[in-house]
Amino acid sequence: EDKVVQSPLSLVVHEGDTVTLNCSYEVTNFRSLLWYKQEKKAPTFLFMLTSSGIEKKSGRLSSILDKKELFSILNITATQTGDSAVYLCAVTDNYGQNFVFGPGTRLSVLP
Amino acid sequence: EAGVAQSPRYKIIEKRQSVAFWCNPISGHATLYWYQQILGQGPKLLIQFQNNGVVDDSQLPKDRFSAERLKGVDSTLKIQPAKLEDSAVYLCASSLDWGGRDYEQYFGPGTRLTVT
Repeated sequence: EDKVVQSPLSLVVHEGDTVTLNCSYEVTNFRSLLWYKQEKKAPTFLFMLTSSGIEKKSGRLSSILDKKELFSILNITATQTGDSAVYLCAVTDNYGQNFVFGPGTRLSVLP
Repeated sequence: EAGVAQSPRYKIIEKRQSVAFWCNPISGHATLYWYQQILGQGPKLLIQFQNNGVVDDSQLPKDRFSAERLKGVDSTLKIQPAKLEDSAVYLCASSLDWGGRDYEQYFGPGTRLTVT
């Protein structure tokens, strides 16, 4: 059965800190790994990583994918209170089906 | 560009009652997803449509849940009869094309269902 594990489940930091969120997965016929940010409402897309794009960066956020070890990390540098959210990791198979989400990491950034 | 629309935003029903949720995806998006998100957990895929055909409904509890996407645009998800454990946020998402290069899903605001 396909599975996504995220760690830590919860994290509290202060503004300016750097955080690393972890996502490990098991999926048959892996196609892509996606990171989402979920505040009070719907998840919003951050990154998609595939075999052709194993490192992404956008501003203070960056992510890498290690297909050999089956994990990904999401880094946030110089955190701000607006980064407080649940960060979800999801994987999909080679047919574009079977989206499986992890439980999420709840990040709280204190002023 | 208008986002994914869902209604209602909130619904409270008693167990054994029926409820239906509606979703209107982003215009032109061929793929539509329904997810169930229980408090403290990640979203769980219930059903995935490609146009008006079902691609994956392996995790849909078919004895009580049903979904349709007539004409390949809007979709409804129904629960009949509801159980206490169905209390969750039901998220609808759409994407341009599951088989192509663009897997990014755009989520609607969700419907929060409380079953008492």
